Amino acid sequence: DQQVKQNSPSLSVQEGRISILNCDYTNSMFDYFLWYKKYPAEGPTFLISISSIKDKNEDGRFTVFLNKSAKHLSLHIVPSQPGDSAVYFCAASDTNAGKSTFGDGTTLTVKP
Amino acid sequence: DVKVTQSSRYLVKRTGEKVFLECVQDMDHENMFWYRQDPGLGLRLIYFSYDVKMKEKGDIPEGYSVSREKKERFSLILESASTNQTSMYLCASSIRQAGVEKLFFGSGTQLSVL
Repeated sequence: DQQVKQNSPSLSVQEGRISILNCDYTNSMFDYFLWYKKYPAEGPTFLISISSIKDKNEDGRFTVFLNKSAKHLSLHIVPSQPGDSAVYFCAASDTNAGKSTFGDGTTLTVKP
Repeated sequence: DVKVTQSSRYLVKRTGEKVFLECVQDMDHENMFWYRQDPGLGLRLIYFSYDVKMKEKGDIPEGYSVSREKKERFSLILESASTNQTSMYLCASSIRQAGVEKLFFGSGTQLSVL
């Protein structure tokens, strides 16, 4: 039973446009949601997070939206840049369990 | 700057061999994790540890064991490697900041079992 799902394996956008990456989850016990970015030959790095008590968190070009009733979150990148091309992992954290559960990842390609 | 170091970038082993993957962090983090990354399956948690000599099973612990003798070092052991353990292995440590637990990953070890 996959608790965190990223249904789009890949996404391609033009430089300067908006990138929207989506993530769905099933476990109501998750209290934090995080996005990690991974370049080839490197480990994932933390990008942005949101608490389950909020519906939006913004950091520069990156904004994460949480719809708790739909158990859905999305990452918006505006404007997209070629350097944003990477694999993006959605992760959900259950503080009591002390571990994070990851989605399959979405490969974003930003074309110049 | 936070650093998680995995001892090997690439590793090739034969079926049945005992394999050790080493991971060291220099941030004095309490928690450490081992994940494997496979195409279409994302990152799956194998084992994690909250303290020295302590370990917890993750989602896919079968065929693996771990050792944490020192706070900074967390080792993943494949007792008898099999071809289905060919994968990218990622070690991480974590810290809780403003309520959220953030993971810091190493660069990964690409293991091929022939």
